[in-house]
Amino acid sequence: GESVGLHLPTLSVQEGDNSIINCAYSNSASDYFIWYKQESGKGPQFIIDIRSNMDKRQGQRVTVLLNKTVKHLSLQIAATQPGDSAVYFCAVEGGTSYGKLTFGQGTILTVHP
Amino acid sequence: NAGVTQTPKFQVLKTGQSMTLQCAQDMNHNSMYWYRQDPGMGLRLIYYSASEGTTDKGEVPNGYNVSRLNKREFSLRLESAAPSQTSVYFCASSTHSNQPQHFGDGTRLSIL
Repeated sequence: GESVGLHLPTLSVQEGDNSIINCAYSNSASDYFIWYKQESGKGPQFIIDIRSNMDKRQGQRVTVLLNKTVKHLSLQIAATQPGDSAVYFCAVEGGTSYGKLTFGQGTILTVHP
Repeated sequence: NAGVTQTPKFQVLKTGQSMTLQCAQDMNHNSMYWYRQDPGMGLRLIYYSASEGTTDKGEVPNGYNVSRLNKREFSLRLESAAPSQTSVYFCASSTHSNQPQHFGDGTRLSIL
């Protein structure tokens, strides 16, 4: 089955810095990748997604990079703000897990003013 | 727009009691999902429904049943609650598989 891991469980940055959150996955057949933000007491909120036919996708202040060779995914947040403080999850889908998202354990991002 | 609505928000049960968690979405999505989230962990898929009339097991289905009542509603039932089922339960929906899933705010369930 699929396993999804993260390189760091916590990340602490200063307001205005850029943040990078990393994620590794195991199944080379995975073809859909997604990042969620979860604030305390709330459900995960969609940030950005990317499919396996792309290696980079940009949104508002966020960029997702996909390296299929090493099965690595990253989320970059530009000019991080205190409101970005939350838990960030990557999730992957595809191959024999079509229709099922497998989530990583999450990275806690803390932004200091 | 309500999005995905889960009821109740909180519940305390005794071991052996039964309960149904309700979920409804107003986005005309085809696919719906139930997850559980334990402290310090990501979400794990319990059951999902790719379309109205179909349901399939996820990663952790034991001890649970589901019903896709119609396109809008997808319920999760615990027939005989166990302390190991203490968790936060999230419902989600998406237009289809391989599309962003949109989540409700969860049901916090404690089983004593």
